[in-house]
Amino acid sequence: AQSVTQLDSQVPVFEEAPVELRCNYSSSVSVYLFWYVQYPNQGLQLLLKYLSGSTLVKGINGFEAEFNKSQTSFHLRKPSVHISDTAEYFCAVSWNSGNTPLVFGKGTRLSVIA
Amino acid sequence: DAGITQSPRHKVTETGTPVTLRCHQTENHRYMYWYRQDPGHGLRLIHYSYGVKDTDKGEVSDGYSVSRSKTEDFLLTLESATSSQTSVYFCAISDWDRNTEAFFGQGTRLTVV
Repeated sequence: AQSVTQLDSQVPVFEEAPVELRCNYSSSVSVYLFWYVQYPNQGLQLLLKYLSGSTLVKGINGFEAEFNKSQTSFHLRKPSVHISDTAEYFCAVSWNSGNTPLVFGKGTRLSVIA
Repeated sequence: DAGITQSPRHKVTETGTPVTLRCHQTENHRYMYWYRQDPGHGLRLIHYSYGVKDTDKGEVSDGYSVSRSKTEDFLLTLESATSSQTSVYFCAISDWDRNTEAFFGQGTRLTVV
């Protein structure tokens, strides 16, 4: 079965420091890649997505991610975090160009410390 | 925001009782999904639908059934609720021909006592 691995379950970081949240997946065949964010007691909101084309994808709130086919990775980065970025972040993958349901990683809880 | 409504938003039920959760969409999206979210597990797919009366199982389908009699509604039924089904349930919709992302509802928090 296809799988998505988020390597860090919790990431504490000081305000205004850079952050990288890591995501690896099991196969790079025709993948659509997504990062979602979940604030407390809320649903999931799309941060960014990779479907095709440029491997560097920019999303909302200053986040970006890079698709690396050879490493089957899609790491999320932000150069300077804010307190408001404290949330849980989920990497998700759909194989066969969207024709299969999203498979999620287990999530990374980002805590921004003042 | 995408038009997805989950009901109820919160429910407490007793072990052994049947429970039905409803997902209603106003977007006319083809695909609808039910996921459950548990600490340390992320979101796991229970069942999904790719059209009216067309459904398929996900990773954690045991103990759950679904029905989709019209495009806008996708029902998740726990035939006989167990404590292991205490979770937050999310409905999602997608239509890959029109939107290249999945949209999520606000979730239903279910507690089985």
